[in-house]
Amino acid sequence: DTAVSQTPKYLVTQMGNDKSIKCEQNLGHDTMYWYKQDSKKFLKIMFSYNNKELIINETVPNRFSPKSPDKAHLNLHINSLELGDSAVYFCASSQVAGGVFYQETQYFGPGTRLLVL
Amino acid sequence: DAKTTQPNSMESNEEEPVHLPCNHSTISGTDYIHWYRQLPSQGPEYVIHGLTSNVNNRMASLAIAEDRKSSTLILHRATLRDAAVYYCILRGGFGNEKLTFGTGTRLTIIP
Repeated sequence: DTAVSQTPKYLVTQMGNDKSIKCEQNLGHDTMYWYKQDSKKFLKIMFSYNNKELIINETVPNRFSPKSPDKAHLNLHINSLELGDSAVYFCASSQVAGGVFYQETQYFGPGTRLLVL
Repeated sequence: DAKTTQPNSMESNEEEPVHLPCNHSTISGTDYIHWYRQLPSQGPEYVIHGLTSNVNNRMASLAIAEDRKSSTLILHRATLRDAAVYYCILRGGFGNEKLTFGTGTRLTIIP
């Protein structure tokens, strides 16, 4: 069984469209993340949810809205897609013991390759 | 954010040990040293982490200098599957909890 899964794997869409990427983890973790890896391969955190609560929100345009219906899912909705949104988006999860973030191990999904035309 | 410095790229022969260096001269006392790697077209994968003592697991060993200003990730017997970008990341308290990826070291394994 895949620990962290993302759908879709590839997403090609037109500028201005709205799209969603879904992430599910079956590890029983309490924290989930979204990362963006741009064309230069820089990998940067976007959001983090702990027990369905937003705890990290980097300087991401408000066109991006994460939603966590439960601890096992963290979806990313993107409104009015722009060319610069083209990237690989990775979901990750971890179990944060006692609220101590800097020791936990993050498990990453396979990525969603988004291309905006 | 506490910073790390890694070589952009390294090459190693298959079935030989690989030593990947990381400098972190501004490391604070609460910073843990984490290593992740990213194989081609995959998400990052945890390798190992440590604080002060050397650490071993089934994937690699982490050797930490006594002054903690540098560390070395050791792959004992490189295989082709170890070709990846390796990231050395400092994580600690006081606002440095995030996993902040730098540019890493691209490791090429020569058959």
